[in-house]
Amino acid sequence: DQQVKQNSPSLSVQEGRISILNCDYTNSMFDYFLWYKKYPAEGPTFLISISSIKDKNEDGRFTVFLNKSAKHLSLHIVPSQPGDSAVYFCAALQTGANNLFFGTGTRLTVIP
Amino acid sequence: ETGVTQTPRHLVMGMTNKKSLKCEQHLGHNAMYWYKQSAKKPLELMFVYNFKEQTENNSVPSRFSPECPNSSHLFLHLHTLQPEDSALYLCASSLYIQETQYFGPGTRLLVL
Repeated sequence: DQQVKQNSPSLSVQEGRISILNCDYTNSMFDYFLWYKKYPAEGPTFLISISSIKDKNEDGRFTVFLNKSAKHLSLHIVPSQPGDSAVYFCAALQTGANNLFFGTGTRLTVIP
Repeated sequence: ETGVTQTPRHLVMGMTNKKSLKCEQHLGHNAMYWYKQSAKKPLELMFVYNFKEQTENNSVPSRFSPECPNSSHLFLHLHTLQPEDSALYLCASSLYIQETQYFGPGTRLLVL
């Protein structure tokens, strides 16, 4: 059973608006969460992360929110730009374990 | 030179062939990983090497055989594969286990 889920396979957003990508997890032992972005024909690239001791981490246009009680995290991109069009993967791990668990990804399309 | 490189980028092989995938990282990292991404499934961790020692084998069939001769190189030897092994195989590296992973572009494998 998948421990990290991204229930929206795709999302379309107008340029300049906010993009919100969601991710849910089932394992309460996860304590570190990451977002990766993937362009076609390239490997995933690290975007932003958050530790479970925080509920928000911001880096420029990208903000990740963590709701531990709901086992939910989200990535906000504002303002969205056409270059943000890519597949976004949520990932989670438990400190002390080697395994990084990924979601299936959400394809974001930012419409100019 | 990009951080993590993988060769070949595309590979078509028959079920009786033997081939190898190569990964090389130029980041001075100590941990390397093999992932498999099948269509509509999350990335699945296959193997983890930490300081050239294999620390994780996620129940991968023996027809996949990893080799890590040094901290910069990682191979995945393939023999008698099945059509369901067709997937994107991604290599990643990190400075230490559990630190941010940097991915290569992947090898798209098709088994006929």
